[in-house]
Amino acid sequence: DAGITQSPRYKITETGRQVTLMCHQTWSHSYMFWYRQDLGHGLRLIYYSAAADITDKGEVPDGYVVSRSKTENFPLTLESATRSQTSVYFCASRAGPVGHNEQFFGPGTRLTVL
Amino acid sequence: DAKTTQPPSMDCAEGRAANLPCNHSTISGNEYVYWYRQIHSQGPQYIIHGLKNNETNEMASLIITEDRKSSTLILPHATLRDTAVYYCIVGSGGSNYKLTFGKGTLLTVNP
Repeated sequence: DAGITQSPRYKITETGRQVTLMCHQTWSHSYMFWYRQDLGHGLRLIYYSAAADITDKGEVPDGYVVSRSKTENFPLTLESATRSQTSVYFCASRAGPVGHNEQFFGPGTRLTVL
Repeated sequence: DAKTTQPPSMDCAEGRAANLPCNHSTISGNEYVYWYRQIHSQGPQYIIHGLKNNETNEMASLIITEDRKSSTLILPHATLRDTAVYYCIVGSGGSNYKLTFGKGTLLTVNP
């Protein structure tokens, strides 16, 4: 199916474990983003990528690692999960930098760190 | 990026127009106004954007004041499915590709 998908949709893990959240888009969009959303807050940017092999930090990057070996995939890894990383994670993509800034969001991954 | 100010919540009757205000008094000349919404537990959804002129699409209309310091998103005939948090965001359409989401306005459409 065309669009942007995230997996898993729900994940429960324990403190100190490594967790990887997957994001896949079928549009060949250049830009991809990871946001987190905590209860009662707006979305905060974790990392973004302008193209394959190009990534950069957003507002709250500590404790997260990203990679982008292929245009369509943008996995987010929590190297050693902490309770403060319990959140809903949204992946998004965008066609390019010029013109409007329409981002397409995935359905989200709800992560609980015990 | 310029910051935005939105009311935390609004109510609207089903079938009536919903008018959501946004103040962005520090907007710069090359910054667009974007509106997204987030229905409970879902990813945000793009609605509309504009630079100077009023814009309309199948979802909504965007009215930007002449001085560009404020704007209004209009949902012409609100339905129960329009109940959501609406985010007004200001950002450049060029190389600054990061959107900064605030807390938005919770619009509740009542039957």
